[in-house]
Amino acid sequence: DGGITQSPKYLFRKEGQNVTLSCEQNLNHDAMYWYRQDPGQGLRLIYYSQIVNDFQKGDIAEGYSVSREKKESFPLTVTSAQKNPTAFYLCASSMGTLETQYFGPGTRLLVL
Amino acid sequence: KNQVEQSPQSLIILEGKNCTLQCNYTVSPFSNLRWYKQDTGRGPVSLTIMTFSENTKSNGRYTATLDADTKQSSLHITASQLSDSASYICVVSLKGPQRGSQGNLIFGKGTKLSVKP
Repeated sequence: DGGITQSPKYLFRKEGQNVTLSCEQNLNHDAMYWYRQDPGQGLRLIYYSQIVNDFQKGDIAEGYSVSREKKESFPLTVTSAQKNPTAFYLCASSMGTLETQYFGPGTRLLVL
Repeated sequence: KNQVEQSPQSLIILEGKNCTLQCNYTVSPFSNLRWYKQDTGRGPVSLTIMTFSENTKSNGRYTATLDADTKQSSLHITASQLSDSASYICVVSLKGPQRGSQGNLIFGKGTKLSVKP
């Protein structure tokens, strides 16, 4: 059963805490992406990775960090430096950066 | 500036009726245009993809059109069903290698469609 998965579905963060969102894909895709979605706004790119051990900042990378140690995995860490982290986070993958992106089910991050 | 504008912002229709969603873009160089459907609290799912030379593409009750001259696209939904209630997102791809911090995809803000019984 191929696809892209994200966990957890909901995540709560305390002030000053770092939290990590998981994204895994078994589609053998080279490229992976993290987006943030806020109400009434389009998806905004946080980070993307075109290949293992390489990633690039998107438009809103401040306060976030990523790693790409394996082709299948692209975890996103929301650090304490991100002052407004409450949002819906979407991970996506594609064969290449010009190919159709397939999205995971999303993680909703809430601040306590 | 590369932008994708969608209208209307939201739309309510009765089950069984047809509707058309609009997407205007100012993106260059253009590679392709995709329509995604996003159910509430879920990730977007691709409905159609069109390149510069294609002006119509269908996927079941969904028909997308593209006018590359006027830089407009529409998504027509026929005989709407309750399950069509979702946000519909227009996404335009830039041609060429990965382009800086915005990436190659320019997302519209979406049209929220509600189908009522």
